[in-house]
Amino acid sequence: GAVVSQHPSWVICKSGTSVKIECRSLDFQATTMFWYRQFPKQSLMLMATSNEGSKATYEQGVEKDKFLINHASLTLSTLTVTSAHPEDSSFYICSAVGQGDVYEQYFGPGTRLTVT
Amino acid sequence: GQNIDQPTEMTATEGAIVQINCTYQTSGFNGLFWYQQHAGEAPTFLSYNVLDGLEEKGRFSSFLSRSKGYSYLLLKELQMKDSASYLCAVTDSNYQLIWGAGTKLIIKP
Repeated sequence: GAVVSQHPSWVICKSGTSVKIECRSLDFQATTMFWYRQFPKQSLMLMATSNEGSKATYEQGVEKDKFLINHASLTLSTLTVTSAHPEDSSFYICSAVGQGDVYEQYFGPGTRLTVT
Repeated sequence: GQNIDQPTEMTATEGAIVQINCTYQTSGFNGLFWYQQHAGEAPTFLSYNVLDGLEEKGRFSSFLSRSKGYSYLLLKELQMKDSASYLCAVTDSNYQLIWGAGTKLIIKP
């Protein structure tokens, strides 16, 4: 089956620093990857849609200069949280859609970010 | 606007059957998903419906009525490990997933 990995699985960083989260599709090529954020006891919130080789499309209210997304290859997308603040502490989940497959997203295991 | 409604929380007994409902109002429809999410973990895919009717997969079944904007997830022979949040999500005309807030299912012995 399709497998998506994320690294790191959890990270603690100090306020003002930047953190990079990697999302990889291990056994398929993902033309599109999605980045979600989930706060405790809330549903997933789409942050941005990332297409390989082009700029990410950000959802309303998501700062593109703060959450940098790079989808440099068909198997890797990265999310960099710049100048992190405690309110950025959240569970970040990526998902990937395979080539020619618009109907199912394969989710990564998520990254727990804590900003102190 | 786009809206997906599902109950916030449900409680059921081990071995019983539970039905989790989901109603939606979206701009276009290209399918409805049900996901299971355990606390602290990413969602895992349960089912996908794009045509009206019932899809059965082991202990889990999912039903869709497009004319009513309605779906349900039916869980049979409940096990303690089924305690989780169940998320309903609809793909709109732009193939974007619109998420419901999730239903927390509590299974009691």
